[in-house]
Amino acid sequence: DQQVKQNSPSLSVQEGRISILNCDYTNSMFDYFLWYKKYPAEGPTFLISISSIKDKNEDGRFTVFLNKSAKHLSLHIVPSQPGDSAVYFCAASVLWGAQKLVFGQGTRLTINP
Amino acid sequence: DVKVTQSSRYLVKRTGEKVFLECVQDMDHENMFWYRQDPGLGLRLIYFSYDVKMKEKGDIPEGYSVSREKKERFSLILESASTNQTSMYLCASSPGTVHGYTFGSGTRLTVV
Repeated sequence: DQQVKQNSPSLSVQEGRISILNCDYTNSMFDYFLWYKKYPAEGPTFLISISSIKDKNEDGRFTVFLNKSAKHLSLHIVPSQPGDSAVYFCAASVLWGAQKLVFGQGTRLTINP
Repeated sequence: DVKVTQSSRYLVKRTGEKVFLECVQDMDHENMFWYRQDPGLGLRLIYFSYDVKMKEKGDIPEGYSVSREKKERFSLILESASTNQTSMYLCASSPGTVHGYTFGSGTRLTVV
């Protein structure tokens, strides 16, 4: 069973517009969430994270929103740039637990000029 | 910068072969992980290790084993490679929290 789900395999957005990537989770024990970005032939790199005690975390063009009651988080990228084209993975963990990350299936974001 | 190095970028092996995937990190991290990435399935955890000679099964350990004889090195072993183990394999290390995962560039393994 997939505990972290990204239901959109791909997303295409025009340069300069907002990109919104979504992620749902089923395990109510998760209390820390992260987004990773992956380019082809490279390993995933950390982008932004959020603890369950917050509902929003912002870092430059990237903002993550967490809705605990809906078990849903989203990543907003504003404005989108061509270099943002990559696969984005949502991940979740129990912060003081086993230190494992559980990943979603990924969403391929394409930014069109 | 923390570096996680995977010894091979591409590997082609025959069905039934014993395959070793090597991973080395240079920042004295306690934790090391092996994931595989498949289209539509994302990253799935195979095995992880909290310390030298310690290992724990992840979500999909069947057909795999691991070895961690030294803190910096974590090896993934396919005892008898099968075609359904064709995948991208990613190694990661972290300093004991979920904040500091660093991934290697991956090994794309093809089993024919």
